Amino acid sequence: GQQVMQIPQYQHVQEGEDFTTYCNSSTTLSNIQWYKQRPGGHPVFLIQLVKSGEVKKQKRLTFQFGEAKKNSSLHITATQTTDVGTYFCAGSLSNDYKLSFGAGTTVTVRA
Amino acid sequence: DAGITQSPRHKVTETGTPVTLRCHQTENHRYMYWYRQDPGHGLRLIHYSYGVKDTDKGEVSDGYSVSRSKTEDFLLTLESATSSQTSVYFCATSITGELFFGEGSRLTVL
Repeated sequence: GQQVMQIPQYQHVQEGEDFTTYCNSSTTLSNIQWYKQRPGGHPVFLIQLVKSGEVKKQKRLTFQFGEAKKNSSLHITATQTTDVGTYFCAGSLSNDYKLSFGAGTTVTVRA
Repeated sequence: DAGITQSPRHKVTETGTPVTLRCHQTENHRYMYWYRQDPGHGLRLIHYSYGVKDTDKGEVSDGYSVSRSKTEDFLLTLESATSSQTSVYFCATSITGELFFGEGSRLTVL
């Protein structure tokens, strides 16, 4: 079945530094979504990427979809304590509204 | 957030007992999902629904069944709970692909 892999599993970041989390699929994706889950909370949608090579920005967050639509990345600049949580990527093979999630990258921030 | 309510939010049960988790939405979203979340595995799809009485299996459907008799309700049933089904269960809804999640139901099977 479809597998979506995320690395790293954990990311410990000094406040103010940048970091990137990566998502890779064994198959070509129709689209990819990113979610954030705060500790003790539920996943919340951040963004969806659909086009090959697409780049989208949300303030300090930059999301990219690979040219082959098999990988994606989330880059956060100038990390803040509010960035703490687990970031999940989720992909679908077609427009069937069935998403497969990666295992997530859990981010902790050192003040 | 979409109006999604999960019940119960916490449940402790014994191996072999039946358990039903309920997801109720007020947004009239067509698609509804049940995921389970376990450390190191992320969110894994159990079952999903694309309309009333229309359901399909996800990647970890063994031991689970679902029913959707009304647009607003999606029930997840564990016919005979096992310790491996101890998890946090999330319901989600969708209308355009973006998922809206409920608060989660923590189930412990002793």
